[in-house]
Amino acid sequence: KQEVTQIPAALSVPEGENLVLNCSFTDSAIYNLQWFRQDPGKGLTSLLLIQSSQREQTSGRLNASLDKSSGRSTLYIAASQPGDSATYLCAVPYDRGSTLGRLYFGRGTQLTVWP
Amino acid sequence: ETGVTQTPRHLVMGMTNKKSLKCEQHLGHNAMYWYKQSAKKPLELMFVYNFKEQTENNSVPSRFSPECPNSSHLFLHLHTLQPEDSALYLCASSQERGTVNSPLHFGNGTRLTVT
Repeated sequence: KQEVTQIPAALSVPEGENLVLNCSFTDSAIYNLQWFRQDPGKGLTSLLLIQSSQREQTSGRLNASLDKSSGRSTLYIAASQPGDSATYLCAVPYDRGSTLGRLYFGRGTQLTVWP
Repeated sequence: ETGVTQTPRHLVMGMTNKKSLKCEQHLGHNAMYWYKQSAKKPLELMFVYNFKEQTENNSVPSRFSPECPNSSHLFLHLHTLQPEDSALYLCASSQERGTVNSPLHFGNGTRLTVT
């Protein structure tokens, strides 16, 4: 069974800072890794999906990297804005089989960006 | 319409009640999921339906009973719940094509309180 750990648990920064959120997993035989965003009282929104053959994925101000050998992923947020305030979760699939929406989640990093 | 719709948004029920949660996806996906988000735990997978067939029951107590009448609708029937079952219940869907995965799309969840 995978153990997914995210640090820090919470982060509060002023607007404009560049941020790094960390995710680690215990079994490096992952097929992919996903980063999600969750706003208070809402569901999750998929931000980035990195396949095991990739090292990173970019979407706008977000960049996610994956190092399978060390069991780590980072989510880099450039020039943070108050609208980035949310909880960020990473997740890895149960196994390489079908139905890859079966995911192990970390507890998330609660981000607050203040003006 | 949003991609994945869950009703109701909030539900308060007594331990002897029977209620149902509903999920509908408008994305043409072939796999649907129930996840549970408790205050003190990471998101936990409960059930998976792939092409309307249940492919995963993640050791969920029998007081939770899923139903998937077609690939667009998913229900979670609840009866004789316990206060510790209070949580945010999230429905998700994805398009599974063998080993090619798509990101999960989540609904906004049902906030369940058991009194």
